[in-house]
Amino acid sequence: GNSVTQMEGPVTLSEEAFLTINCTYTATGYPSLFWYVQYPGEGLQLLLKATKADDKGSNKGFEATYRKETTSFHLEKGSVQVSDSAVYFCALSDGGATNKLIFGTGTLLAVQP
Amino acid sequence: DAGVTQSPTHLIKTRGQQVTLRCSPKSGHDTVSWYQQALGQGPQFIFQYYEEEERQRGNFPDRFSGHQFPNYSSELNVNALLLGDSALYLCASTRRGTAISYEQYFGPGTRLTVT
Repeated sequence: GNSVTQMEGPVTLSEEAFLTINCTYTATGYPSLFWYVQYPGEGLQLLLKATKADDKGSNKGFEATYRKETTSFHLEKGSVQVSDSAVYFCALSDGGATNKLIFGTGTLLAVQP
Repeated sequence: DAGVTQSPTHLIKTRGQQVTLRCSPKSGHDTVSWYQQALGQGPQFIFQYYEEEERQRGNFPDRFSGHQFPNYSSELNVNALLLGDSALYLCASTRRGTAISYEQYFGPGTRLTVT
C-alpha cells in the first residue's frame, strides 16, 4: 500500500542554519505530495504542495521538489528562525475518490537562538 | 472567511463511555474527513463524508461512526471508549470535484483523553 517515510527527529538547529528534512514515499500511480506543519497545541497547516513530477512547492522560504525517480519530496529552508520550531509532516494523496492523506510520523524541528 | 472549526477543544471520558465530536467545514467546502493523531504519530484517516454519506473508511472499527448534515457539518461518534482512543481528533475539509480538492484544510482538533 501507499506509505510515507520521513527522517526521525528531533532535528536541532541554530538560527540561520540550513534545514533539510528527508521524505520518501511509496505509491502506485502519481500521488500529490504535501508538507504540513503543526505548531505546539495546534492543528495542521498546509505548508506547500506539488501535484506532479518535477514540480517545486514553495512557501515562507521553504521548498520541496517532487522527484519521481527517487520517490522523494525533501523539505529545505536556507535559513531557519526560532519561529520555525514545530513538527513537520510529509504526506501524500493518492488522488483516489476521496483524496485521503497518508502521513509520515512527523519530524520535530527545534531552532535555538 | 471562517476556517474549519471543531468542538469541544478538550474532552475527558471514562472507558466504556461514548463521545461525540463536531466539525464545521471551511466556507465553500462540502467534504469532511476525520483523522486520529495519537501522541507522537502522524494523523491516520478514519473516514470521509460527502453528500451525507460515508465515502471511504480507514482501518478503524465500527465503534467509530459519523454523520454529515445538510449544512455540510459533521459529527464523529466513538462508542465503548478504550484507553487507546486517547488522541487528537482532526477534522479536515475540502471541496470535492475540483483541482482545489487536492488541498485539505484542517481544524485545530479535539483532544480526547480516556481514563
